[in-house]
Amino acid sequence: GDSVTQTEGQVTVSESKSLIINCTYSATSIAYPNLFWYVRYPGEGLQLLLKVITAGQKGSSRGFEATYNKETTSFHLQKASVQESDSAVYYCALSDRNRIFFGDGTQLVVKP
Amino acid sequence: EAAVTQSPRNKVAVTGGKVTLSCNQTNNHNNMYWYRQDTGHGLRLIHYSYGAGSTEKGDIPDGYKASRPSQENFSLILELATPSQTSVYFCASGDARDWGYEQYFGPGTRLTVL
Repeated sequence: GDSVTQTEGQVTVSESKSLIINCTYSATSIAYPNLFWYVRYPGEGLQLLLKVITAGQKGSSRGFEATYNKETTSFHLQKASVQESDSAVYYCALSDRNRIFFGDGTQLVVKP
Repeated sequence: EAAVTQSPRNKVAVTGGKVTLSCNQTNNHNNMYWYRQDTGHGLRLIHYSYGAGSTEKGDIPDGYKASRPSQENFSLILELATPSQTSVYFCASGDARDWGYEQYFGPGTRLTVL
């Protein structure tokens, strides 16, 4: 079946440093799934951070970016300089256009 | 205005009691979903619906029922609540006809079963 793997349960980064959160996917029901990053801030529901529906393309939002890599089946999230306000849980996800499969989430802690 | 709302936001229930979690969406989406989210797990799909009158089992449906009486409303029902159902529950809506299909989430309901 379709699945998403996030290897880090928690990532701690100092403010103004760069960030990468790893995500790999496996899609068996669809050749080119849609890929997403969702974010959950404390006390809030999930909200879409960015999405990419075309292989090879890059999505970006709020300084975050992720590239849809079909060859390595990866969709890593990156940011050049994090802020304390970026502390949240980040979920990588894929869609077969009927439902969405989520990774386990990565807690980002930004230290001042 | 929030397009997906959930009630209650917090609930404490007793073991063996009945719990109903409600969700309302104003997105006019056909599809609606119920997930639970536990520490160390991603969102796990409990039930979903393609439209009014339809409910489908997700990945972890045991111990839960769902009801979709209208396009806007989708309920999750725990007939006999157990402590293992203590979790945060999220409702979402989405339009599968949209090629860039994404889901829109409510703020979550924190359920504690004692």
